[in-house]
Amino acid sequence: EVQLVESGGGLVQPGGSLRLSCATSGFTFSSYWMSWVRQAPGKGLEWVANIKQGGSEKNYVDSVKGRFTISRDDAKNSLYLQMNSLRADDTAVYYCVRSRGAWGQGTLVTVSS
Amino acid sequence: DIQMTQSPSSLSASVGDRVTITCRASQSVITYLSWHQQKPGKAPQLLIYAASTLYSGVPSRFSGSGSGTDFTLTISSLQPEDFATYYCQQTYRAPDTFGQGTRLEIK
Repeated sequence: EVQLVESGGGLVQPGGSLRLSCATSGFTFSSYWMSWVRQAPGKGLEWVANIKQGGSEKNYVDSVKGRFTISRDDAKNSLYLQMNSLRADDTAVYYCVRSRGAWGQGTLVTVSS
Repeated sequence: DIQMTQSPSSLSASVGDRVTITCRASQSVITYLSWHQQKPGKAPQLLIYAASTLYSGVPSRFSGSGSGTDFTLTISSLQPEDFATYYCQQTYRAPDTFGQGTRLEIK
């Protein structure tokens, strides 16, 4: 069974940092593009970033460029999102997503003073 | 960025109805188009990828079609568990943009 489990969310002050993790199982992690997608409260889905197999290519939505960094550890079957200089409009549920496949259950990030 | 526009934004239908949701891309995405379903308070789930390929375990009443800029998601006979919000997403060129969503409600 394909499983993706996010962790690392929480309450952080504006300007602060968080690192999200996504532990995966049930598929060959190293063979897939992986993405982070977020959903602000009451809003639609927003793609945030993705990373190619092996980590050789990374893409970001403009609003997080220079602040967020996506990475992966194929030995640990895990995906990460380092989030710096957080702003109130980064408040959302963050989902880990496998290309052509499953979504995690999400982890809530709240940016507030 | 490629803009994705869904129509309608909301839809009321009855159990047993045939329903079609459309998605239009601002430029060709070939068939790099996915459909996702999200129920209230739950994570989204993939229904269809590559415009018309049903993801594992998804009921056959769901189908997708289209290429280039125009795509459709069809539910052949609505079931009670299908009332949800549906999103299209292009994965042709980063950023992999989503449509604004179509909320399917019970009539």
